Amino acid sequence: DIQMTQSPSSLSAFVGDRVTITCQASQDISKYLNWYQQNPGKAPKLLIYGASNLETGVPSRFSGSGSGTDFSLTISSLQPEDIATYYCQQYDNLPLTFGGGTKVEI
Amino acid sequence: QVQLVESGGGLVKPGGSLRLSCAASGFTFTYYYMGWVRQAPGKGLEWVSYISSSRSTTSYADSVKGRFTISWDNAKNSLYLQMNSLRAEDTAVYYCARYYYDSSGYFQHFDYWGQGTLVTVSS
Repeated sequence: DIQMTQSPSSLSAFVGDRVTITCQASQDISKYLNWYQQNPGKAPKLLIYGASNLETGVPSRFSGSGSGTDFSLTISSLQPEDIATYYCQQYDNLPLTFGGGTKVEI
Repeated sequence: QVQLVESGGGLVKPGGSLRLSCAASGFTFTYYYMGWVRQAPGKGLEWVSYISSSRSTTSYADSVKGRFTISWDNAKNSLYLQMNSLRAEDTAVYYCARYYYDSSGYFQHFDYWGQGTLVTVSS
């Protein structure tokens, strides 16, 4: 199975800060990576697909980059509504696997 | 608009069975895979299973293979997860999700999610 390792596991930042979350795959997954946001008590929501493509309706302050084994999700200017846990997920191979999550606090 | 509504969760004893349902609406079902993702209390997300758009192919996580069965009912536009031989470690919120799988396979992602249904396995 492909292991997905996210860091940090949690972070605290100020409104307006630039925030970056990283995700490392245990083997090369090309660009077969998605990012999801899960607000407290809610279902996950797709943010980024194919490593760098912004899902329709997602604010442009979110961006994704990377390929191979190293990926990142960046929030260019953190907003209060961005308080959530963020997960990466690979789809290069079954089983589909998620990272452990990064909890973002203000 | 796309709607996915799960039901069927509850408390069940170890070794017992439960069937989850997911009523789908607002999209052309034949174009999409459908899947289940679970989240144990306070934990991260774990893929459980999905079924292809043709409904001819199914895949499962090793942790549930042989115990869980995913299926789709065309007449009811509903996705199901039959869960047998339940264990304490199956305790989780189970999410039904639409899985976009483009023809090239280059893009695949869970693009719509239900609100989840809680399954608790305990004596």
